[in-house]
Amino acid sequence: NAGVMQNPRHLVRRRGQEARLRCSPMKGHSHVYWYRQLPEEGLKFMVYLQKENIIDESGMPKERFSAEFPKEGPSILRIQQVVRGDSAAYFCASSPPDRVGQPQHFGDGTRLSIL
Amino acid sequence: SQQGEEDPQALSIQEGENATMNCSYKTSINNLQWYRQNSGRGLVHLILIRSNEREKHSGRLRVTLDTSKKSSSLLITASRAADTASYFCATVPRGSNYKLTFGKGTLLTVNP
Repeated sequence: NAGVMQNPRHLVRRRGQEARLRCSPMKGHSHVYWYRQLPEEGLKFMVYLQKENIIDESGMPKERFSAEFPKEGPSILRIQQVVRGDSAAYFCASSPPDRVGQPQHFGDGTRLSIL
Repeated sequence: SQQGEEDPQALSIQEGENATMNCSYKTSINNLQWYRQNSGRGLVHLILIRSNEREKHSGRLRVTLDTSKKSSSLLITASRAADTASYFCATVPRGSNYKLTFGKGTLLTVNP
C-alpha cells in the first residue's frame, strides 16, 4: 500500500532553469492537489487536477507555473525560469474519486532550492 | 485573509501532560481538519470535524468545534515524545469540498 510518492525529494536549480516535480498518487486515487509551503508557513493551495483535467488552478502563479496530470504517469508541477522566491517545499496530495478532498493523503514533498 | 490560525505558535510540555492547541478561522466552513507534520515529512491527517459537529474523539485526540466563535481546539492527552511535531488546522470553505486552507501551525515539543 504505497502512499503518495513524490520525487525528487530534494531539487537544486540555478536561477533561470526549469524545475519538474513529480507526484504519483495513491493507488486508486484519481484526484491530485499541489500545495506550496514556504519556511515557517502553512501550506498554500496551488492546483487541483483530475486525470487529464485541471479543475481549479486558482492558487497557481499566473506565469512560469504549470501542472498536468496525464492519462498515464505521474502528475507534474513545472516551474519555468525559476527565481529565488520559488524556493519552498512542494507537496502533493491525493484523494479517491468517491471522497474528493476529505481527507487528503500527502506525500513527503519536494524541497526546491534555488541558487 | 488567513484562515486557520493556530495558537500558540510553539508549545513545550513534559511527557504525560496534555497538550491543547487552538485554531481560529474567519469564513464559513464545510469542515475543519487537523494534520500533523514531522520535520522534513509530509502531512498526516489526524481528524476531520464537520461544521454540524461539536466534538470528535480519536484515540488520545479530542477535537472541538465552535462555529459561533469560528474556533477549534485539538487536545492530545497523555502526550508522548513521539507526538513531537507541528500541528496544523485546515479549513474547507463552505461550497468547496477540497480546497484546504492551512494556518502556520503549532510546533509541539514533548520532552521525555
